[in-house]
Amino acid sequence: GAVVSQHPSWVICKSGTSVKIECRSLDFQATTMFWYRQFPKQSLMLMATSNEGSKATYEQGVEKDKFLINHASLTLSTLTVTSAHPEDSSFYICSARDNRGGDTEAFFGQGTRLTVV
Amino acid sequence: AQSVTQLDSQVPVFEEAPVELRCNYSSSVSVYLFWYVQYPNQGLQLLLKYLSGSTLVESINGFEAEFNKSQTSFHLRKPSVHISDTAEYFCAVSDSGATNKLIFGTGTLLAVQP
Repeated sequence: GAVVSQHPSWVICKSGTSVKIECRSLDFQATTMFWYRQFPKQSLMLMATSNEGSKATYEQGVEKDKFLINHASLTLSTLTVTSAHPEDSSFYICSARDNRGGDTEAFFGQGTRLTVV
Repeated sequence: AQSVTQLDSQVPVFEEAPVELRCNYSSSVSVYLFWYVQYPNQGLQLLLKYLSGSTLVESINGFEAEFNKSQTSFHLRKPSVHISDTAEYFCAVSDSGATNKLIFGTGTLLAVQP
């Protein structure tokens, strides 16, 4: 299957700082990317959907000014957690899909574990 | 709105025993159904999917799932599990629209014991 690379795989930051997470599709063009967060022992919760070149669509309850998503190219999307606080500590996972060929499979990155201290 | 229910949060089973992980969904439109597996501290890997056609789908490592429209279920089964199958399993549904965003169940931890 196609490969999605997420970087970094883990990060520790101080409260009040911002953290950027990258999601890259390595061998295909991702027209749509999704960002999820996963709390310990819980399921993945969709945060936002982004289409290349467009503003992201955020799910209800997700602060778009806190979780900045940029999908400027067909192979890269970034999630920036601004002014991070300990409650933002979580596992963040991206997925990517190429909708143009009709295929519906989304490929997932390996996730980023964010710890805010 | 779509939703997915995985009633079992944890399923303990002995090695070489059969297992079934239950998944029920609700949707007012046509759906695609997926099972993903997540090993500790890793992302999700697609195990198998139902898009259309045969209601029984299989994975390369011996898992299978059957789409049952009347019961709105997509249970995952394996006739004989291995220690290496220990992982979290997520059932997911997406609609057939342009967005195709996935809605996940809460996950089932399959704990295979020797």
